[in-house]
Amino acid sequence: KQEVTQIPAALSVPEGENLVLNCSFTDSAIYNLQWFRQDPGKGLTSLLLIQSSQREQTSGRLNASLDKSSGRSTLYIAASQPGDSATYLCAVSHNSNSGYALNFGKGTSLLVTP
Amino acid sequence: GAVVSQHPSRVICKSGTSVKIECRSLDFQATTMFWYRQFPKQSLMLMATSNEGSKATYEQGVEKDKFLINHASLTLSTLTVTSAHPEDSSFYICSASWGAEAFFGQGTRLTVV
Repeated sequence: KQEVTQIPAALSVPEGENLVLNCSFTDSAIYNLQWFRQDPGKGLTSLLLIQSSQREQTSGRLNASLDKSSGRSTLYIAASQPGDSATYLCAVSHNSNSGYALNFGKGTSLLVTP
Repeated sequence: GAVVSQHPSRVICKSGTSVKIECRSLDFQATTMFWYRQFPKQSLMLMATSNEGSKATYEQGVEKDKFLINHASLTLSTLTVTSAHPEDSSFYICSASWGAEAFFGQGTRLTVV
C-alpha cells in the first residue's frame, strides 16, 4: 500500500526566503508525481507534474525534483511571497487502465510573513 | 489546463436527507472521474472511481449504498450522499485526468446537522 509522507507539516518563513518542501513515498513504482496548492476551504490547483521518467520540472519560481528510486521529491520555492501561503500537497499515481487515482500526503502548511 | 467544475461549493443539510454533488469536465471528456474526501487536518482519501457507462469502483471501507455515484455522460459525474449523518460532514472533491495530469474541482463542504 502506497504511503506518502510530507515534511515538514508546517513551515513559517519571512518573505523573500527560498524554501524546500519534502515528499517521500514507499512504493517507487509510480506513474507520475504531482504537486498541488490548496487554499483554505478551496479546491486543488495543480502546480507541477513530473512523469516517472523525468527528474525535474520548473514553472516560474517553482522547481520540483523527483528521485523515483529513492522515493523522494522536493518542491523548491524561490523568493517566497505572502501570496505563496497555502497548503502544498504531494500526490503520486500508479499506471491504470482507468485513469490515474492519486495517493496524497497530508500536506505542508506554509505561511510566508511580510 | 483543463477545467473541472464542482457544484455546490457548500451545502448544509439535515440528518437523514440526501445530497447530490455534481462534477463536470468543462472543456474535455472524461471517461473516468475520481471522488475524494478530506477530513480536517487530514489528507485527501480516494473514495471511488467513477466510470462512464458502468458501475463505480469503491475503495475499501466506503459504502456503495451510501455514496451513490452516477457517471451518465463523458462530462458529468454525480455523488449522492444518502441518508446523511453528522459523521458524513466533510470536504468532498472530484477530479478528472486530462492526459496524465489530474485536475480538481473546487470541492464541496458538506455539513450535516
